Amino acid sequence: DVKVTQSSRYLVKRTGEKVFLECVQDMDHENMFWYRQDPGLGLRLIYFSYDVKMKEKGDIPEGYSVSREKKERFSLILESASTNQTSMYLCASSPMMLAGVLGYNEQFFGPGTRLTVL
Amino acid sequence: GDSVTQMEGPVTLSEEAFLTINCTYTATGYPSLFWYVQYPGEGLQLLLKATKADDKGSNKGFEATYRKETTSFHLEKGSVQVSDSAVYFCALILDDMRFGAGTRLTVKP
Repeated sequence: DVKVTQSSRYLVKRTGEKVFLECVQDMDHENMFWYRQDPGLGLRLIYFSYDVKMKEKGDIPEGYSVSREKKERFSLILESASTNQTSMYLCASSPMMLAGVLGYNEQFFGPGTRLTVL
Repeated sequence: GDSVTQMEGPVTLSEEAFLTINCTYTATGYPSLFWYVQYPGEGLQLLLKATKADDKGSNKGFEATYRKETTSFHLEKGSVQVSDSAVYFCALILDDMRFGAGTRLTVKP
């Protein structure tokens, strides 16, 4: 079974703190993704990575950064947390198509981290 | 850009009722279409998918047909159970993956 794990299920931080959310997948997938999930807005892509040390901005990268030092691990960093970053954060991974583009492979999701910024 | 619109919830049904959750998409090409389900406290799980027009995806009694002419991928189930209570997301992938806003389904005994 594909497994995507996230370091915390629930996290409470204070405004201005630096926050690290960790994601690990065990299926040797090339692609990894960070989304945030908010009621009525569905999932919005923050960043994705298609290889080690590679990253691409998604739809809402402002206030976030990412790190991918190893293939299995993709970290989301909130440099200075703010209350509007209170949300559910979902990590996902998928294999890469042979052509080297995202293609049509399904994404496998972790259980999510519910972050509250006070 | 590419987008997905799905019917707003919440949807509340009695056990054994028929379920339809509407999903339409806008895309410049021919995307693959997905339904994901999120049970309480969990991440998203793939429920079913279809990769080309007229394909029917099915799983756990749910099914959806890729309709190119109406750009739709409606989710249906003939008889829902309490255990189907969850949030359902329609999604497409072409250049990147786009999700609908999600529809919360509650099934009452």
